[in-house]
Amino acid sequence: GAVVSQHPSWVICKSGTSVKIECRSLDFQATTMFWYRQFPKQSLMLMATSNEGSKATYEQGVEKDKFLINHASLTLSTLTVTSAHPEDSSFYICSAPPPTPRYETQYFGPGTRLLVL
Amino acid sequence: SQQGEEDPQALSIQEGENATMNCSYKTSINNLQWYRQNSGRGLVHLILIRSNEREKHSGRLRVTLDTSKKSSSLLITASRAADTASYFCAFDSWGKLQFGAGTQVVVTP
Repeated sequence: GAVVSQHPSWVICKSGTSVKIECRSLDFQATTMFWYRQFPKQSLMLMATSNEGSKATYEQGVEKDKFLINHASLTLSTLTVTSAHPEDSSFYICSAPPPTPRYETQYFGPGTRLLVL
Repeated sequence: SQQGEEDPQALSIQEGENATMNCSYKTSINNLQWYRQNSGRGLVHLILIRSNEREKHSGRLRVTLDTSKKSSSLLITASRAADTASYFCAFDSWGKLQFGAGTQVVVTP
């Protein structure tokens, strides 16, 4: 079956630094990918929709200059947390819908745990 | 809120008992999905029910969908200790998944 990978699986960084998280679709092309954030003991919150070859669309309340998304190819989307602060510590998960059929199950990456000190 | 609501927030049962959790949403949907997440891990897709379906079964799982009430339920029968996890509903509205708040289920042997 289709697989979505994320790298790194976990990262610890100092406050003020930027962190890049990669999301790859391994055996299918994804023109759209989604990024979620999950705080401890909470649900997943959709952050943004990553669109190949065009700008990402962000959900209300998500700072686009803080969370930079680049969908440079049909198999790779990256999320960069710029000038990370401790409150950005979270579990970041990406997903990609299969090319067909539409509106069916999405494939989720295993997640990236970010800890900002 | 863009998220759906789930109840109960937490559920503690013994092995062999059934576990039922409910989800409500506000928008029109293409389908509704249920996922499981073990502590600190990724999501595991359990079952998908389309907007024109009312009930679906998969092994020990039974899902219902009532689009008139904008609600869904997940029933896990004959629960096992391995079913201990958080369960989330997610409703698909034109390709975007919005998640419910989740139900934390603990199954004790």
